[in-house]
Amino acid sequence: EADIYQTPRYLVIGTGKKITLECSQTMGHDKMYWYQQDPGMELHLIHYSYGVNSTEKGDLSSESTVSRIRTEHFPLTLESARPSHTSQYLCASSDMGLAEGIDTQYFGPGTRLTVL
Amino acid sequence: DQQVKQNSPSLSVQEGRISILNCDYTNSMFDYFLWYKKYPAEGPTFLISISSIKDKNEDGRFTVFLNKSAKHLSLHIVPSQPGDSAVYFCAAITSAGGNEKLTFGTGTRLTIIP
Repeated sequence: EADIYQTPRYLVIGTGKKITLECSQTMGHDKMYWYQQDPGMELHLIHYSYGVNSTEKGDLSSESTVSRIRTEHFPLTLESARPSHTSQYLCASSDMGLAEGIDTQYFGPGTRLTVL
Repeated sequence: DQQVKQNSPSLSVQEGRISILNCDYTNSMFDYFLWYKKYPAEGPTFLISISSIKDKNEDGRFTVFLNKSAKHLSLHIVPSQPGDSAVYFCAAITSAGGNEKLTFGTGTRLTIIP
């Protein structure tokens, strides 16, 4: 059973506010990911990290930023929220858990963000 | 350009029958494929995977079939149970070059009818 946590689960906030979405995992995984998902759409990778002090942008351009100061913590920050940022944000972490050598990504419960 | 496609947004199946979820891909560099299951208000959970060197992988009620020539994979659930009602995402990965990012499909909502 994977232990990966996201807070808050739901957030409704006004335009222009700065927000930080928290993601923590207790499994010691080096790799962590942030995905954005709109209803009925695929998950889009927006950020990933392969370890402490490593952050990379994903396939979908995002105005958010991330940091990885500790292995277990991978927060995502929006400096000035806009209605276009309304979406579900999913955090994941991975290890080499399968015999075939591929990473199984374990997901947190997600944060549903609404920007008014 | 969507590299992983799930053309059926929804599927309804009678309890006890077989559920077949389909997925097509366009990138021939994908060499591992995964299925994730997602309940409302929860993150996706890993279900089953298959390497491109295989054409079938089975785990209990779940079997994934891969047809490389057709760039098609399918997830079979038999027998289907009410708890299987969820959104199922197909995902693919290219392991070469250390680039291990998953590419997801749009998902298929499976409803099991009691």
